[in-house]
This record gives sequence, structure tokens and C-alpha cells, in this order.
Amino acid sequence: AQSVTQLGSHVSVSEGALVLLRCNYSSSVPPYLFWYVQYPNQGLQLLLKYTSAATLVKGINGFEAEFKKSETSFHLTKPSAHMSDAAEYFCAVSSNAGKSTFGDGTTLTVKP
Amino acid sequence: EAGVTQFPSHSVIEKGQTVTLRCDPISGHDNLYWYRRVMGKEIKFLLHFVKESKQDESGMPNNRFLAERTGGTYSTLKVQPAELEDSGVYFCASSQDLDSRGGETQYFGPGTRLLVL
Repeated sequence: AQSVTQLGSHVSVSEGALVLLRCNYSSSVPPYLFWYVQYPNQGLQLLLKYTSAATLVKGINGFEAEFKKSETSFHLTKPSAHMSDAAEYFCAVSSNAGKSTFGDGTTLTVKP
Repeated sequence: EAGVTQFPSHSVIEKGQTVTLRCDPISGHDNLYWYRRVMGKEIKFLLHFVKESKQDESGMPNNRFLAERTGGTYSTLKVQPAELEDSGVYFCASSQDLDSRGGETQYFGPGTRLLVL
């Protein structure tokens, strides 16, 4: 069985501030972990994924995430928020062929 | 190269009616997935096709939902008869190669927003 918990359904930061979106997972086997972003009226876009190589994963748009097995976490960060980062972000885990399990999503608001 | 496309983008129907959603995956992608997000909750897996075969349909909520993928190309998801709780956003995704551990990248379509009144 696998599950994902995203802490905080809404996160608000000021432009230029650090972005931290939290994700904790549960998986019975070594997981693959993903972060997706969804802009209004668009589909899910892959930001980055962890596939058991380096624990620090760099993605698009300046985002990165660190896999911490001891904490079962895969938090998403960006050093400096931009207005265009405002969107909904989803963490997902996949440890069976194909099927992904998603968190509830976190809406990021960026204030000018 | 075109991405995953879904039709229609929005659908409003009355309880008891039938709705058919369509998904066109990226050309050459053997794997096709359907997911659903109901009213701001998590995105939930519905089923997975490998070519024209149903690999995993463990997430299908009940027998009012019927998914097909004739010829292993596009897929349809029919809801008949629709109920109020079927409202939500239906996403389709496709991937090329299946990693047995689940690490392949899935490409998502924009979703179909279904509202059942």
C-alpha cells in the first residue's frame, strides 16, 4: 500500500521568498516520487521525479526536492518565489507498475 | 509533437444521463491511464491500459463506469447513468515504456470537467 500526505492545502509566500511545500509518503517498497504542478485550466506538468539515484533532485523552473528516507519525506523547495509560480502542486508516489497515488494538493499563492 | 488531448474540456449533464469522455494519448505511448479528482480532493487512479488491454482497473468506482481502448489508440470513458457524486475532473495520462517499479514519466492531459446536476 502507498499513500501521500501534503501538509498544508494552502501556502502563501511573498515574491522572492523561499517556497517550501511539504510531502510525506508511505510505501511498502522503495518508491518513485514525483512533484507535479497544475496551472489554471491546464493539465498536470511534471516538475521533477526521484528514481533512487541522487537524493537531491533538481527540476524545472528552479524547483528542487530532497528525498529523505528516514523521514519519509520529499519536500519541494525553491529559493526565490516568482509570481508565475502561483499554481497547485501535487506530490505523488508510484511503487507499482503504472499506478500513481497523489496527495490532496497544495495551492501556492505568491504575493507581490 | 502533440501532447495528451481530452475531449470535451467541460461537460454539464443531468443525473441519469450518459456522458462519454475521450482521451487521445501521445502517439506511440502504449500505456494510458485515467484518473479522477473529485471536489478538491486527491487525484485518484481509475484504471490503466497497456495497448488495448486493461492492466489494472482496481480504481473504477462501480459498474456505471466503462472504459475502452479499441485498437490501442484513443480511449473512452463512459459514465452511464451519471450520478451527482461523479462530478469532478477526469484526467488522462500516457507513458511510453512501463517501468515495473513505476518510475516512468506520465504525461497528463488538461482534463475534462464534469458536472452532474
